[in-house]
Order: sequence, then C-alpha cells, then structure tokens
Amino acid sequence: GENVEQHPSTLSVQEGDSAVIKCTYSDSASNYFPWYKQELGKRPQLIIDIRSNVGEKKDQRIAVTLNKTAKHFSLHITETQPEDSAVYFCAATGTSYGKLTFGQGTILTVHP
Amino acid sequence: DTGVSQDPRHKITKRGQNVTFRCDPISEHNRLYWYRQTLGQGPEFLTYFQNEAQLEKSRLLSDRFSAERPKGSFSTLEIQRTEQGDSAMYLCASSPPPETQYFGPGTRLLVL
Repeated sequence: GENVEQHPSTLSVQEGDSAVIKCTYSDSASNYFPWYKQELGKRPQLIIDIRSNVGEKKDQRIAVTLNKTAKHFSLHITETQPEDSAVYFCAATGTSYGKLTFGQGTILTVHP
Repeated sequence: DTGVSQDPRHKITKRGQNVTFRCDPISEHNRLYWYRQTLGQGPEFLTYFQNEAQLEKSRLLSDRFSAERPKGSFSTLEIQRTEQGDSAMYLCASSPPPETQYFGPGTRLLVL
C-alpha cells in the first residue's frame, strides 16, 4: 500500500518568513495530494490540493509543488503569520474512491 | 452549519463496554470515510462507504469494530468490548466524487 513520509516533524519560523514542508510517497499510481491544517482540538481543514496532471498550484500565500518523477510534493507558506501555527498533514491517494494515506504531520510554530 | 457533524464529541467509557458514534455527512456527498487519529499522528483510514455500500475495511478494523450507513446518509461506528488501545480521535469525512474530503470535528474516545 501507499506510504507517505513527511518532514520536518517540527518547524519554527519568525513571522514574515517562509515555511516549507516536504512529503514523499511510495505508490507511483497516486494522483491526488491534499494538505490539511489541524489546530489543537479541531478538525483537519483542507487548505490546498493538487492533482498529478499539475506541477504547481498557488492560493494566496500558500503553494504546493509536485514532482511525480521523484515522488515528492511540498507545501510552501510565504509571509507566515502567528495564525498559521498549527499541525500540517500531507496526504496521498491513488485509489478511485479517494482513500487517503497521511504523513506524520509537521508542527509549525510562527513566532511574532 | 452545513459541514460534517459527529456525535458525541467526547466519550469516556470503561474497558469492556460498547460505544457507538454517529456521523452526518454533507448532504449531497455520497462518499463517507472513517479515520482514527492518535496523539501526534496523522489520521489512519478505517473504512469507506459509497452510498450505503461498505466497499473497503482496513485491517486496523478488528472484528470488534462495525460500521453502517443504512440509508446512504448518516453512518455509525460501533466498537464492542472496548480496550484501552481504542482510545483515540475518530474522524469522519465525506466527499462528492472525485476526492476532496471534508472532515467532521471528531469523537474523542477515552477508554479507562
């Protein structure tokens, strides 16, 4: 089955800096890669996703890049703000019905 | 609130007791998923429904676990003879095809 590795496990940045979180996946058939943000005690919230026919997608301060050959994808957050502090999860799926395999999560802390 | 809802939000039970959780998906979503999340980890897939049909079960779902979605709308997840290792957050997600999944707030289970 699919295996997703996520790094780093913790990331600390100053407000205004950029943050990058990287994930690798094992199943070359995977074709959908969402990113979720989870604040303490709350539900995972989808922040951006990318499909395998696209190399990059951007939404305001958030961008995701995908390298299918290397089987890795990354989340980029620019101009970080304290409210970006949360746990971020990458995920991947290659099944027709969208069963997600998640990474282990990255705790992002943005210091004011 | 038109998002995914789950009930109860918290459940404390004694080892050996049975518990049942409910998930109400977004009304037009025909796909429903259950995941389990333990502290410091990403969600792990448990099972998936397409309308009322349960189409996949993870090997994480032992014989003590059963899930139903009788009319293709809400779903229930029952755990029989609970064990301390069952303590976790149980998350429900729903999606329309193709893949984008929206999560509920989760039910946090503590088995004493």
